[in-house]
Amino acid sequence: ILNVEQSPQSLHVQEGDSTNFTCSFPSSNFYALHWYRWETAKSPEALFVMTLNGDEKKKGRISATLNTKEGYSYLYIKGSQPEDSATYLCASPAGGKLTFGQGTILTVHP
Amino acid sequence: DSGVTQTPKHLITATGQRVTLRCSPRSGDLSVYWYQQSLDQGLQFLIHYYNGEERAKGNILERFSAQQFPDLHSELNLSSLELGDSALYFCASSVSDHDQPQHFGDGTRLSIL
Repeated sequence: ILNVEQSPQSLHVQEGDSTNFTCSFPSSNFYALHWYRWETAKSPEALFVMTLNGDEKKKGRISATLNTKEGYSYLYIKGSQPEDSATYLCASPAGGKLTFGQGTILTVHP
Repeated sequence: DSGVTQTPKHLITATGQRVTLRCSPRSGDLSVYWYQQSLDQGLQFLIHYYNGEERAKGNILERFSAQQFPDLHSELNLSSLELGDSALYFCASSVSDHDQPQHFGDGTRLSIL
């Protein structure tokens, strides 16, 4: 995998549903994996920076896991709320620059 | 509030002109990053400075240049502007390098007429 890829591209869930999405990144020479939340008309906000294989981080109802050997990370949202609606970006540094995926657009319907 | 300040918020200018975008990083952050977000595009990395020195360059056009000053604020200079340069330009800062989260400013929206 040469690029940072995210799936799905978009997701619609009902309030209260739990959901997850995937980030795939180059596994060779792994250094770190970033997750950001980007709400409409705002700027990206850092959620997590993960550096260790098997790492799991949690912030409220949002958590993330990391597998550096196979090059993927999952972001989980438990009990989605309408305010969770945003684009979720992952990014991985390669060649000294942080490369962002295209993001997963999450819409949570009341 | 991320603590990163970008000015101006909006800029409207004409083709062929030159503009300067300014960024003040969070207090204590030594790294400054510049990104471009064009219509229907994701965040494209332009350039990274650490404590006044250029660390990495992305697909930054030769018409674009940047610098980080001794007080750690940074400026992105865009010259010979073209219609395709219309975009949202973000600055972000972090304490050190890529093992730390980046904190984004509100962006400067550049419109070329």
